[in-house]
Formats: sequence, C-alpha cells, structure tokens
Amino acid sequence: ETGVTQTPRHLVMGMTNKKSLKCEQHLGHNAMYWYKQSAKKPLELMFVYSLEERVENNSVPSRFSPECPNSSHLFLHLHTLQPEDSALYLCASSQRVGGREYFGPGTRLTVT
Amino acid sequence: AQKVTQAQTEISVVEKEDVTLDCVYETRDTTYYLFWYKQPPSGELVFLIRRNSFDEQNEISGRYSWNFQKSTSSFNFTITASQVVDSAVYFCALSEEFSGTYKYIFGTGTRLKVLA
Repeated sequence: ETGVTQTPRHLVMGMTNKKSLKCEQHLGHNAMYWYKQSAKKPLELMFVYSLEERVENNSVPSRFSPECPNSSHLFLHLHTLQPEDSALYLCASSQRVGGREYFGPGTRLTVT
Repeated sequence: AQKVTQAQTEISVVEKEDVTLDCVYETRDTTYYLFWYKQPPSGELVFLIRRNSFDEQNEISGRYSWNFQKSTSSFNFTITASQVVDSAVYFCALSEEFSGTYKYIFGTGTRLKVLA
C-alpha cells in the first residue's frame, strides 16, 4: 500500500478520444508528478506540481494537459493522442519537490 | 548537464550469488540527491534508498548495500545472496535543483534476473 492511487489502471482509446487519468495521494504530500514510461526508454518526467502550482514542464506536447485542483489530486487530460503515446503513465508524490517519491501503480495506456 | 548512466542493461545471476548494479551520474550542482528504485514485474516502482550529496557514508539494509563515491560520481547498489524475488528492473535516479525547480533524471534501468 503506497498511499498513491491511480485510475484507471488500463485504458484503451482512439486517437480522436478525450480521456483523463486520475491520481490521488493520501500521504499529505505537497508535490505531485506525472511520469511516462515507454518500452526500452528511461522514465520521463512530464510535469511537477508543488502546492498546486506547476513548477516543471518538460516540453510535453499540448495534447497532454495536467490539472492539480488540490494537493491531493492530480489529473492528466488526454486528447488527440498518437499511437506513440502508448505507455505506462506513473503518478508520484513527495513531501516536497526533490524528496523521496512515492509512486502509484500506473495507468497502462494504449492508443489505437 | 545532468545525466544518469546505468551501463548494464541486463544481468543474470544464479540464486545466492552477490551482484552489483552500477550507476554513474553527472551533475553541475553540489547539492543533489540520488535514489534507487525497484520495479518488479507487477510494474509498480518501489523506493529503496535516497542519499543526499553531503552524506557519503555507505549504507547497508539487510541484503542490500549502497556505495556512494563522489570522487567517481558513482552510486552502486549491491545485493548479497541474491534471491529469485530480487528479479526486477532497478533504476538509479538523480534529483537536483536548477533555476528554482527540481530536475529529476532516471537512468535507463538494469534488468536483474535471478535464476533458481
């Protein structure tokens, strides 16, 4: 039990669909992160939020849109994705940015 | 520029053997953090250790030990008497502050296979 949950665990979507990934942390942390893990590539940090403000955006395409309504919830809104966006999307949280990160189980996304 | 290199793509050992996973990093900062994570077949990343740049003391936790050497920019991870349950992908990571934000860089991972 890591204290970080993600829904859905699996998602299949077409390129014209709009969907959202949800992450919730029950650890009282102030920082939350979205990562992308593709096959045979290192983990890629996508977005970092600290106290609900985005502090890092690693040149992610605009078809990925994050939202952090409060310190416990983080969303990743998806629209007009490409097949190469198929990957495992991991959410994490930490007490503060740069500290130990606790990861959720991930959402396995397949874009058809 | 920050960079984390895990040169070993895959390692296979027989159960009870000791195995060392290498991690070499590059950073421009004097204050940074190093991490090791384990990713078992289930896919969930599991935190193993966090070390800050001012603490070079080696650490041992059960069968796991870490050797942090700033002189060679390495943070190697050793598993003693490996077990089949140790089979996983292991990631080394670097976190440092840059222009008021934090950069968090992962290595490409080392897949460890422990054979019974």
